[in-house]
Amino acid sequence: AQSVTQPDIHITVSEGASLELRCNYSYGATPYLFWYVQSPGQGLQLLLKYFSGDTLVQGIKGFEAEFKRSQSSFNLRKPSVHWSDAAEYFCAVGGYNNNDMRFGAGTRLTVKP
Amino acid sequence: EADIYQTPRYLVIGTGKKITLECSQTMGHDKMYWYQQDPGMELHLIHYSYGVNSTEKGDLSSESTVSRIRTEHFPLTLESARPSHTSQYLCASSELPGKDSPLHFGNGTRLTVT
Repeated sequence: AQSVTQPDIHITVSEGASLELRCNYSYGATPYLFWYVQSPGQGLQLLLKYFSGDTLVQGIKGFEAEFKRSQSSFNLRKPSVHWSDAAEYFCAVGGYNNNDMRFGAGTRLTVKP
Repeated sequence: EADIYQTPRYLVIGTGKKITLECSQTMGHDKMYWYQQDPGMELHLIHYSYGVNSTEKGDLSSESTVSRIRTEHFPLTLESARPSHTSQYLCASSELPGKDSPLHFGNGTRLTVT
């Protein structure tokens, strides 16, 4: 069965520092991978997605993620964090049909001034 | 800017009441979904629809029901609310299955049943 693990429940980084949020997945077929961000009181907004091709994908707000099939990982990175990046981040894996999409439990990011 | 709208944003209601959570989207998407979100836990799919007159149950058992009479509208109904229904409910939509069909989410309805 497919699943997503986000090992870090809460991460705190200083503004301007680099960021990496971890995501490991289990999926029986070729995965479609996503990162979503949720600000307080808001729904989830798509940051980036991977379907095939180049394993390094670029997203909105300066985020990128790298798909590593051998490690079943899809970690999210940003070179320099801004205070407005404070939010909850969700990794998701699915297939062709979104009905089987699985979300991780989320990583809450706090940004120190 | 959300193209998928949920109302109400917050709802506090007593046990036994019937409630309907509204969800509408203006993107013309065929597929719509309802997810339940609790703190520290993954989102759980409770209902989805492929289009008008199509409704399916998701992987999380739910006492709620849904209807899809119009493409843009996908309301969720609880006939008799209980404290265990307290949660955040997220509505989403997407194109029909395909590689470029990520989910678009509304801002959610936070339901509290007292």
